[in-house]
Amino acid sequence: GAVVSQHPSWVICKSGTSVKIECRSLDFQATTMFWYRQFPKQSLMLMATSNEGSKATYEQGVEKDKFLINHASLTLSTLTVTSAHPEDSSFYICSAPGQINQPQHFGDGTRLSIL
Amino acid sequence: GQQLNQSPQSMFIQEGEDVSMNCTSSSIFNTWLWYKQDPGEGPVLLIALYKAGELTSNGRLTAQFGITRKDSFLNISASIPSDVGIYFCAGHRMNRDDKIIFGKGTRLHILP
Repeated sequence: GAVVSQHPSWVICKSGTSVKIECRSLDFQATTMFWYRQFPKQSLMLMATSNEGSKATYEQGVEKDKFLINHASLTLSTLTVTSAHPEDSSFYICSAPGQINQPQHFGDGTRLSIL
Repeated sequence: GQQLNQSPQSMFIQEGEDVSMNCTSSSIFNTWLWYKQDPGEGPVLLIALYKAGELTSNGRLTAQFGITRKDSFLNISASIPSDVGIYFCAGHRMNRDDKIIFGKGTRLHILP
């Protein structure tokens, strides 16, 4: 069964609204979680590393004020896309490190469509 | 930033054929990973490799960690329709909290 739960799985909203995506580790604690973005027919691109109790680490070119990350507990990280625009439409996927024989568990992704 | 070169970009094969894809890097990784992603879903881990030279199988899948630590290949034998999807290689450098670097993917198509 899934060990990383991502919610919602699909969002459609108007341009200018903010959207929050949740990533939960279901049966383990994760001090670190990762947020990826995937455009159609492209690979997963790491956006940021979410650190429990401290600021997220953003990859080069990712706007921290637009993609707000909060990791308030050991089982929950949230990504908020603020003032979303059509170019933010993408597939957003989170992951969390697992056991030694499975480096990262991935969520099922959130399809974000901005009209 | 760091990149992995994955090839081929796409493959069109007949059911029953064997498949081979590979990944190279300019940097050394401590772990090589192979994932499969179906449309609208997150990646699912197929095989993880932890030692240079390691050859690991998972059913019809076989993957090897290159001896130089800069490359890996994935083979699929006797392909079946459910093998269709995108296969990603990924490199992982240090510990479990470190980020993963993904290749650009290989799209596998099986011709009817």
